[in-house]
Amino acid sequence: KNEVEQSPQNLTAQEGEFITINCSYSVGISALHWLQQHPGGGIVSLFMLSSGKKKHGRLIATINIQEKHSSLHITASHPRDSAVYICAVVSFLVNTDKLIFGTGTRLQVFP
Amino acid sequence: EAGVTQFPSHSVIEKGQTVTLRCDPISGHDNLYWYRRVMGKEIKFLLHFVKESKQDESGMPNNRFLAERTGGTYSTLKVQPAELEDSGVYFCASSQDRRGLVNTEAFFGQGTRLTVV
Repeated sequence: KNEVEQSPQNLTAQEGEFITINCSYSVGISALHWLQQHPGGGIVSLFMLSSGKKKHGRLIATINIQEKHSSLHITASHPRDSAVYICAVVSFLVNTDKLIFGTGTRLQVFP
Repeated sequence: EAGVTQFPSHSVIEKGQTVTLRCDPISGHDNLYWYRRVMGKEIKFLLHFVKESKQDESGMPNNRFLAERTGGTYSTLKVQPAELEDSGVYFCASSQDRRGLVNTEAFFGQGTRLTVV
């Protein structure tokens, strides 16, 4: 079992829908990152958070440290949001500065 | 400002050959990371440089992999000799904050797709 699990693995939506992607982790963490990868493209950082909630445009990320869970929400989804969304955590371990990745959620938004 | 740059974008080599991947981080970023995604699996950590020093190389799969960062600028990752299971996408990332990814985002390159045949 992976230390970082995402659900769903695949998600399709109609333009305008509200999207939620979930991330659960089993290790103690110092921070959690949400990343985006477009087909054939590199990886782009969306959020880095260690508590509470962050918002950037139509994207909202929340984290519940006690429940070891984070969610990424997309409001008013658009076809250009189609990408793979990846959750990655920074372990609590001393002298470790690396990301532990989930397998990603592939999102397709249709017009 | 230029982002993280990786060369080559694609490489196809035969089993037993040597391949060297290069990563140019964002200027001024002391932290440089190598990651790898093999087909169907999640991205996994390989190693972390702080300037020219290897901070953590716990993810390096075996001694066929050698990473260097002479002068603390660009980094190379050499695979010698390459095996079929080395195929995958190799990502490089960099970050600026000395406290690392606890405190700052990582900037990723486009990746190098390595195919060993």
